[in-house]
Amino acid sequence: AQSVTQPDIHITVSEGASLELRCNYSYGATPYLFWYVQSPGQGLQLLLKYFSGDTLVQGIKGFEAEFKRSQSSFNLRKPSVHWSDAAEYFCAVGPYNNNDMRFGAGTRLTVKP
Amino acid sequence: DAGVIQSPRHEVTEMGQEVTLRCKPISGHDYLFWYRQTMMRGLELLIYFNNNVPIDDSGMPEDRFSAKMPNASFSTLKIQPSEPRDSAVYFCASRSGTANYGYTFGSGTRLTVV
Repeated sequence: AQSVTQPDIHITVSEGASLELRCNYSYGATPYLFWYVQSPGQGLQLLLKYFSGDTLVQGIKGFEAEFKRSQSSFNLRKPSVHWSDAAEYFCAVGPYNNNDMRFGAGTRLTVKP
Repeated sequence: DAGVIQSPRHEVTEMGQEVTLRCKPISGHDYLFWYRQTMMRGLELLIYFNNNVPIDDSGMPEDRFSAKMPNASFSTLKIQPSEPRDSAVYFCASRSGTANYGYTFGSGTRLTVV
């Protein structure tokens, strides 16, 4: 079955530390992969996306993600976290039925001073 | 561009009342999606439109929910009658039909049914 899994519900890191958020997917073909961020009371904002080509993708706000086909993963990374990065992060995979995306359950990031 | 615009931002209503949520997609985007977000179920796709035509409404919970898109710049999601379990944040998102699946989301409508 096609699915998206974010194994970590909640992660806490110290400001300035590195960050990696995990995303695993099950998909029958080469997927389109996305990471979104949701700040409290806001909608989801696209951080980055992967369609094809270079498996290391750069996004906004200093984030990057790497597509690893052999591991069915698309983990999000940032070398140095800022307090403003505290938010909920969603991995998404598509297309389904030619148009839809499926979202993971999200990982909530807390940043300690 | 002002982005995807949703109204109202917050809605509190009594059980049994009709609720209408509104969405204005980004101009030129020909796909529009309605999602519901709850702590228990996360983000759920309710329905999506392509060129104002409903394509997949399999996520609509029950007949109390209906959605329309009378033109390319406006869509509504209606709940009648509303129930406390409908309390959630409802998001509208749009995207261009060209091969770019990145959605633009609105800020959402937080619905509370008491």
